[in-house]
Parts: sequence; C-alpha cells; structure tokens
Amino acid sequence: DQQVKQNSPSLSVQEGRISILNCDYTNSMFDYFLWYKKYPAEGPTFLISISSIKDKNEDGRFTVFLNKSAKHLSLHIVPSQPGDSAVYFCAASAGVTGGGNKLTFGTGTQLKVEL
Amino acid sequence: AAGVIQSPRHLIKEKRETATLKCYPIPRHDTVYWYQQGPGQDPQFLISFYEKMQSDKGSIPDRFSAQQFSDYHSELNMSSLELGDSALYFCASRKELGEKLFFGSGTQLSVL
Repeated sequence: DQQVKQNSPSLSVQEGRISILNCDYTNSMFDYFLWYKKYPAEGPTFLISISSIKDKNEDGRFTVFLNKSAKHLSLHIVPSQPGDSAVYFCAASAGVTGGGNKLTFGTGTQLKVEL
Repeated sequence: AAGVIQSPRHLIKEKRETATLKCYPIPRHDTVYWYQQGPGQDPQFLISFYEKMQSDKGSIPDRFSAQQFSDYHSELNMSSLELGDSALYFCASRKELGEKLFFGSGTQLSVL
C-alpha cells in the first residue's frame, strides 16, 4: 500500500526552465511534508518542507505547494540548474506531536536538467 | 557541521551470515531512524528510537534487531542474512519532535 506516490519516475527539463515535481498521498493523517534530494550512493538531503497549516513555502529557487483537499503537493524549482539533476523524494509524516514521527517516502522522481 | 555518520560504508556478506551496522547521530539529536532502500525502490522505514527506547517499528524482519546506546549511537544487527537483504541502509537522526530528519550516507550491504 503506497501511501505516498510520485507518478512520474523521471523528468527532463532544460537549464533555466522550471522543474515541477508532483506528489500525491492517501493518508489524511499526514500533516507534515518534506522533499529530499538524493544522489547515487548517498543519503537523502533535506530540501524543503511544509506543514499542513500552510499551502506554500518558499526557499530560494525551491517552492513547495500543498493542496490538502486534493492530497497533492508539488515542488517547483526555478530556474533549474544542471546541479539539480538527482532523484527527488517526497516524504510525509503524521502527528508532529506524536512519538516516532517516521517519514513515509514516495517512489522518487529522477530529474535531469539538460544544458 | 557534524552530520550523521554510518559505518561501514560498504559491507559484503554471504547468506546466513550476520552483519552489524552502526549509526552515530548528529550531536544532541535524541531520535534515530533506520531505513532500508532496495534497488529501484523508495526508502522503507525499519525502526526508530527515542531517548534509547524503541519508539516505532516498521517493516523490520524478526531476523533484525536494533538498539540505541547511552551515547545515542545505534546499531542494526542482522542475522541469517538472505539475498533479499542486499540494500542501502540509511540511518537518520532528529533533534526533537517536528524537526526534519538528517540522513547519513548509508551502508551498502551486499549479500552473496
């Protein structure tokens, strides 16, 4: 049962253009969402997060949008740079005040930014 | 800044052998998580510890056990290894509830 889904396994964009990565979730208890970037043979690196009380969070070139009614979030990267080429994982957690607070990951989207 | 340290980076074992993976969280982080990522798969939660007590348990086989020690480092013990245990094992740590997880570089386990 995949509670966090990234339906696009790969995405290719040109340098300087916008990259939009999408993520859908099914568990309505999720209230905190994160995006991680991962290079081969390395651990995921935190990019940006958003709490369910917000619908947008921006950090430099990265913006995350949350649509709770649609159970959908997206990561926008603009402008895209070749160094952004990596696998991007969407992750979610439930109950910030609860114990554990483990992350549930999506399947990942391989982003390739071309010159 | 100090990051999450995992050792070893690579480990090769044969079927039915045992393996121990170590994780040293970021200083003053009190929560540790273990994840398993198989080839082409998303990271799957195994187990977590908060203040040296198990706080949550995911899809961890009975052949695996883990603990967090007084210095907050954690060890994942894996026995009777199977070919399907070959994966990248990540450890992550967090300072307090609601904060993001920081991941280590992982241990690549290969079972032959």
